[in-house]
Amino acid sequence: DTAVSQTPKYLVTQMGNDKSIKCEQNLGHDTMYWYKQDSKKFLKIMFSYNNKELIINETVPNRFSPKSPDKAHLNLHINSLELGDSAVYFCASSHVQGDGYTFGSGTRLTVV
Amino acid sequence: GNSVTQMEGPVTLSEEAFLTINCTYTATGYPSLFWYVQYPGEGLQLLLKATKADDKGSNKGFEATYRKETTSFHLEKGSVQVSDSAVYFCALTLNSGYALNFGKGTSLLVTP
Repeated sequence: DTAVSQTPKYLVTQMGNDKSIKCEQNLGHDTMYWYKQDSKKFLKIMFSYNNKELIINETVPNRFSPKSPDKAHLNLHINSLELGDSAVYFCASSHVQGDGYTFGSGTRLTVV
Repeated sequence: GNSVTQMEGPVTLSEEAFLTINCTYTATGYPSLFWYVQYPGEGLQLLLKATKADDKGSNKGFEATYRKETTSFHLEKGSVQVSDSAVYFCALTLNSGYALNFGKGTSLLVTP
């Protein structure tokens, strides 16, 4: 009965590969987000979806493409992975945009 | 722009010591303010929040007061425990249409 679940928890892959991270929330929230946390713990918003519509799209390489098949799911697909993509990626959701978030436990991506 | 500045860490305290983690913000409007906590290897958890000036958020012995005049939201706890060791993030949002903007995080280590 995890509120926001991400899979996989760990992902090790080679440069140039394409990978996806999945996120699901069972809270009935309308808004979902992807954040990237770098090695210094800094958190940066990447994308935000509200009811399957893209709301926020920060300056992120277009190798990153979010997909929201329904309001309970927000997946992140990354093409042509680079070393600099190594980070922890967090999915989050909120009832209304601007309210407190519920975070997933993160996906640690390592590109070698 | 909208941003949050937190005191640099790491902060090391002995058990039962008093904790203050400073947080100041810059915002173009009237933000909601949050403190999140990240325990090792986990996602972020909402610790407390305040949505308007002079509001005090509190949870698990932690408190923070929204000070509009000093644009601050300092986190305090009267007596820390070893289990409080974590990274603490101050964050703001301008509500509808905006995501959470996080500070860089402050690492807290409490020793027995």
